[in-house]
Amino acid sequence: EDQVTQSPEALRLQEGESSSLNCSYTVSGLRGLFWYRQDPGKGPEFLFTLYSAGEEKEKERLKATLTKKESFLHITAPKPEDSATYLCACGGSNYKLTFGKGTLLTVNP
Amino acid sequence: EAGVAQSPRYKIIEKRQSVAFWCNPISGHATLYWYQQILGQGPKLLIQFQNNGVVDDSQLPKDRFSAERLKGVDSTLKIQPAKLEDSAVYLCASSRSADTQYFGPGTRLTVL
Repeated sequence: EDQVTQSPEALRLQEGESSSLNCSYTVSGLRGLFWYRQDPGKGPEFLFTLYSAGEEKEKERLKATLTKKESFLHITAPKPEDSATYLCACGGSNYKLTFGKGTLLTVNP
Repeated sequence: EAGVAQSPRYKIIEKRQSVAFWCNPISGHATLYWYQQILGQGPKLLIQFQNNGVVDDSQLPKDRFSAERLKGVDSTLKIQPAKLEDSAVYLCASSRSADTQYFGPGTRLTVL
């Protein structure tokens, strides 16, 4: 059974304080590692897809990286508007997504 | 490009009542998904459609949940009868094929 574990469950940062979120996964036949952002009362918003170990993608203050067992979402000099829940998901057979529980990020001004 | 549309946005019902949710995917997206997201959890796939056909419904509680996708576009998800544990956000997502999924805003269901 595919499994995704995210840590920490919650992270509180000061504005400008860089950090990383972790996503460890167990899946047979990885067909993509996905990162989404979810704001309260909204659906998940797509951020990145990573397909192979060593791959990196960047968007503004976010950078996602992938190894054979885990992915990291690095947040550089975060701003309060980066506050959200960040979800990680693995695409397995039939490209079915298995999600982790998410990391609730709060960035204080 | 318009996103995934869902309605209603909120629904409150009594247990044992029935409820239906509607989803209109992004134009041209052949694959449609329904997820259940319980508070504090990640979304869990209930059912996946490819055009009109069901690809995966292994986690759909078929004794009370049903879904259909007529003409390969819009979809409805129904719960009958609802239980307290069905309180959750029901998310619809679509993708062009078997790639990146784009989510709608969700329907928040409260069962009293």
